[in-house]
Amino acid sequence: DAKTTQPPSMDCAEGRAANLPCNHSTISGNEYVYWYRQIHSQGPQYIIHGLKNNETNEMASLIITEDRKSSTLILPHATLRDTAVYYCIVRVAGWDGGATNKLIFGTGTLLAVQP
Amino acid sequence: GAVVSQHPSWVICKSGTSVKIECRSLDFQATTMFWYRQFPKQSLMLMATSNEGSKATYEQGVEKDKFLINHASLTLSTLTVTSAHPEDSSFYICSARDWGGVFDGYTFGSGTRLTVV
Repeated sequence: DAKTTQPPSMDCAEGRAANLPCNHSTISGNEYVYWYRQIHSQGPQYIIHGLKNNETNEMASLIITEDRKSSTLILPHATLRDTAVYYCIVRVAGWDGGATNKLIFGTGTLLAVQP
Repeated sequence: GAVVSQHPSWVICKSGTSVKIECRSLDFQATTMFWYRQFPKQSLMLMATSNEGSKATYEQGVEKDKFLINHASLTLSTLTVTSAHPEDSSFYICSARDWGGVFDGYTFGSGTRLTVV
């Protein structure tokens, strides 16, 4: 079962920052937080991941709370092309040959960027 | 970066026939690939884990005799939907991870839209 909780939908004005929350209160110490997004009728696209430090790349920033029970994905300047379903997933990094390597998707957040 | 190619992108078949979907890792070797199914307005549901050279591991409730998975090489996994019926119509997506690469995530194919008529 998915270990994260996300709001079902959010709106954001074009050009503004989009802040997508995720709750993962049962996260384990060796589990990373991953963010993917899925644009309609396409395969999911990797955005960013992190363990406990905040992370930033060319697509987004990931802010993880100190207790690691929640995180926020930030798209600094949302465009219409960022309209998609955003998935927050927790899983262990590395490989142990077992079930923990599976990527289990929750229901995600549908972000609608408005012009 | 790691690229996963999935073919066909869409297919229409008659009820009772079988359909094969291919998933290829183009620039890396994938000892493990994953197959998902997605119904309209729903999230991705993991169907099975495909392991090179061995039997696939199916998730609970997924019929292994209906969804045949073959992972005969380090760059190719196939999913065959046998005796397809309209309720099998769905969006099928594969993913793989480049364990030897720098990217610590999973790369997904573009998906296959299956319509059974």
